[in-house]
Amino acid sequence: ETGVTQTPRHLVMGMTNKKSLKCEQHLGHNAMYWYKQSAKKPLELMFVYSLEERVENNSVPSRFSPECPNSSHLFLHLHTLQPEDSALYLCASSQDGWGTGDDGYTFGSGTRLTVV
Amino acid sequence: RKEVEQDPGPFNVPEGATVAFNCTYSNSASQSFFWYRQDCRKEPKLLMSVYSSGNEDGRFTAQLNRASQYISLLIRDSKLSDSATYLCVVLDSWGKLQFGAGTQVVVTP
Repeated sequence: ETGVTQTPRHLVMGMTNKKSLKCEQHLGHNAMYWYKQSAKKPLELMFVYSLEERVENNSVPSRFSPECPNSSHLFLHLHTLQPEDSALYLCASSQDGWGTGDDGYTFGSGTRLTVV
Repeated sequence: RKEVEQDPGPFNVPEGATVAFNCTYSNSASQSFFWYRQDCRKEPKLLMSVYSSGNEDGRFTAQLNRASQYISLLIRDSKLSDSATYLCVVLDSWGKLQFGAGTQVVVTP
């Protein structure tokens, strides 16, 4: 069990549904991230929250909407997704702004999302 | 051109053998380098940072070659439990971590 918990582990949703992914970290880290991992592709950074400031990747479609109510919780709200959005969504946290400290990133186990 | 490139493999390695693989990066001003390990259907976990002088952690040795812009990972005395995908991660000059797509290693009995 890692210090970063993601729920749900698996999610199947239709293109007209609205759902949310949840991430919680108990490590006292200052930064949290959402990454998308598709098969055989590098992790794609979606969003970063560092000291409550959001850094947004401009290439993320608006159908993905992050929310960070406090330093321990991070959500990813999903609506009107497309089949190509099916992927593993990973939450991560780090002590510093970019995971370059000695402990790097701590990842959650991910949510495997399937859009039908 | 990709920021970080890796040979996807798989590298099939007999148990007890040595395996080594590289990762190239495009941004010459990149500052920090890491290897992460990702088991099948699991999350990535930090394996080790890569220092300029090279560093070793048990059976794992990482090297950095700034002139040729690559880092390497060598695994000695491979164990079955070393089977995983190894992700090369580079902190670029804009302060962003760039991930490679990973190199798959399969250790066979």
